[in-house]
Amino acid sequence: EVQVVESGGGLVQPGGSLRLSCAASGFTFSSSWMTWVRQAPGTGLEWVANIKEDGSEKYYMDSVKGRFTISRDNAKNSLYLQLNSLRAEDTAMYYCGRDRGFHTIDYWGQGTLVTVSS
Amino acid sequence: QSALTQPPSASGSPGQSVTISCTGTSSDVGSYNYVSWYQQHPGKAPKLLIYEVSRRPSGVPDRFSGSKSGNTASLTVSGLQAEDEADYYCGSFAVSKVFGTGTRVTVL
Repeated sequence: EVQVVESGGGLVQPGGSLRLSCAASGFTFSSSWMTWVRQAPGTGLEWVANIKEDGSEKYYMDSVKGRFTISRDNAKNSLYLQLNSLRAEDTAMYYCGRDRGFHTIDYWGQGTLVTVSS
Repeated sequence: QSALTQPPSASGSPGQSVTISCTGTSSDVGSYNYVSWYQQHPGKAPKLLIYEVSRRPSGVPDRFSGSKSGNTASLTVSGLQAEDEADYYCGSFAVSKVFGTGTRVTVL
């Protein structure tokens, strides 16, 4: 059975940092592109970043470049997202997912909520 | 990269069909046969319904079908059921990954 479980969200002040984690099982993690997608309250889905199977390629949406860092540990079947210099507009549910290719996300976690507020 | 355009809402009675459009540009929907559709119930994670324009993952009922013409993709839900009431998002491969604005489907 496929499982994708995010953790690490919480309340943080503007300018602060958080590290999100995503634990995956039930599929070959080391052979999968992985992605982060976020959804601000009451709004639609927004792609944030993705990373190649071996971590050699990473891509980000423009508004998070230089602030967020995606990484992975294939030995631990885990994906990470380091969030720095957080802004109020980063407040969202952050979902981890497997990208089977060409922006098709077939496995999703239940999300972890990040709230940026003073 | 701008979000793909979807109608905010759509509705139908049980048993009827509803079609949702997803309009992009020649740089995304029009250039690639990599359009996906996702269903999201309130408070839940999205679920993949359609990929590569018209292919269904295992377990997705054949009531859900996808198509594309030019810069516009479409999702049709046939034989509407109460459990189809949800938000639906399209997604398209492009230089920057984009999702649609979302459509709330109501079963009357």
